[in-house]
Amino acid sequence: QAVLTQPSSLSASPGASASLTCILHSGFNVGTYRIYWYRQKPGSPPQYLLRYKSDSDKHQGSGVPSRFSGSKDPSANAGILLISGLQSEDEADYYCMIWHISNSVFGGGTKLTVL
Amino acid sequence: QVQLVQSGAEVKKPGASVKVSCKASGYIFADYYIHWVRQAPGQGPEWMGWINPNSGGTYYAQKFQGWVTMTRDTSSTTAHMELSRLKSDDTAVYYCVREGIAASEDVFEIWGQGTMVTVSS
Repeated sequence: QAVLTQPSSLSASPGASASLTCILHSGFNVGTYRIYWYRQKPGSPPQYLLRYKSDSDKHQGSGVPSRFSGSKDPSANAGILLISGLQSEDEADYYCMIWHISNSVFGGGTKLTVL
Repeated sequence: QVQLVQSGAEVKKPGASVKVSCKASGYIFADYYIHWVRQAPGQGPEWMGWINPNSGGTYYAQKFQGWVTMTRDTSSTTAHMELSRLKSDDTAVYYCVREGIAASEDVFEIWGQGTMVTVSS
């Protein structure tokens, strides 16, 4: 079982909100981790969006709009990337990541379609 | 501006080695760790390890210990990643990535454009 599990795809309409989830393996307590989010468009490297551990421990990437935000759902042991006011340019692959014992681990990614 | 420019695409046979270069510019090379991340076709990124350009110290993901070597040349502000004993499933885009500035050193902030490495007989 993977450390980080993301749904493979998600569709949403322009102007709507999209909630992308990143479920941690049961052996990893989401409360103890910073969750990092990256966006990747075809043919380009990933781009850092934000990291979120709590409302007092969060960081927004340089130039990343405030309509991108992070949160957690402890009951699901999941990190969440919320994108509000969806735009066509938000269509991309989104990856979550954690640092675990000095090692970086990525999820498999969610392909977000805006239509 | 801050940028990382990587060497060009490579095609290698199984069992061979590949060395990818990453030229840094626009900042003080010694001040920021360089990480290497690879991404196989259709897959998520996979972190390989880092090098401290100041000391040359390295840390490799357990999976890659014994067959990856990361080095740097401070005179040319270039980092290198060499992967040996290549197999077909090492076919991937390899990225060098610079860590973020203070308070965000744990962030992969600046990415190279990627180097496609194809392993095929």
